[in-house]
Amino acid sequence: KAGVTQTPRYLIKTRGQQVTLSCSPISGHRSVSWYQQTPGQGLQFLFEYFSETQRNKGNFPGRFSGRQFSNSRSEMNVSTLELGDSALYLCASSLGLLAQDTQYFGPGTRLTVL
Amino acid sequence: GIQVEQSPPDLILQEGANSTLRCNFSDSVNNLQWFHQNPWGQLINLFYIPSGTKQNGRLSATTVATERYSLLYISSSQTTDSGVYFCAVKESSARQLTFGSGTQLTVLP
Repeated sequence: KAGVTQTPRYLIKTRGQQVTLSCSPISGHRSVSWYQQTPGQGLQFLFEYFSETQRNKGNFPGRFSGRQFSNSRSEMNVSTLELGDSALYLCASSLGLLAQDTQYFGPGTRLTVL
Repeated sequence: GIQVEQSPPDLILQEGANSTLRCNFSDSVNNLQWFHQNPWGQLINLFYIPSGTKQNGRLSATTVATERYSLLYISSSQTTDSGVYFCAVKESSARQLTFGSGTQLTVLP
């Protein structure tokens, strides 16, 4: 079974631009979560989607948004990019919403904001 | 929210040595996972272990939920074991994973 895939793998943007990252979960998984990893803050939860609905949201500004499609694929968008948005963005999928569901991570998208 | 502390922050070993990584958490959890982050950034699942003991080859893990800690054991270390090891938990009132700050493991040939 194929793992979680993320595109693109690397991205370079300039301040003020916007960016869209994509995540395809493991087949049969319906929950997708997004995390941001930076050297200073570590791994932080952004949001979680299930059945095309945002179910949970971390403490990030409204510039960070996401959505999920009917095939469970998810995208996240960051508008008006800031230098501090440079990070590794990781997507994780799980079967459903049970706390016991194991999360599996994709390879990440490394975003650099200049 | 829940606090997750990992120790040691850095560990340097010679190939063939054994090591123990520790994860302490501040509240009850219903999900605990150990990950290895490879040099390219991907988080590789090692164990799902909210309680009890599991083994997978040279790796094993133990979680004592009542005392709020988990241990990851690596035996006969290899250079390919190098990387950052993360512990992540879900507290009972939340669905997202909360990560510790990781242990940077370097295995020297």
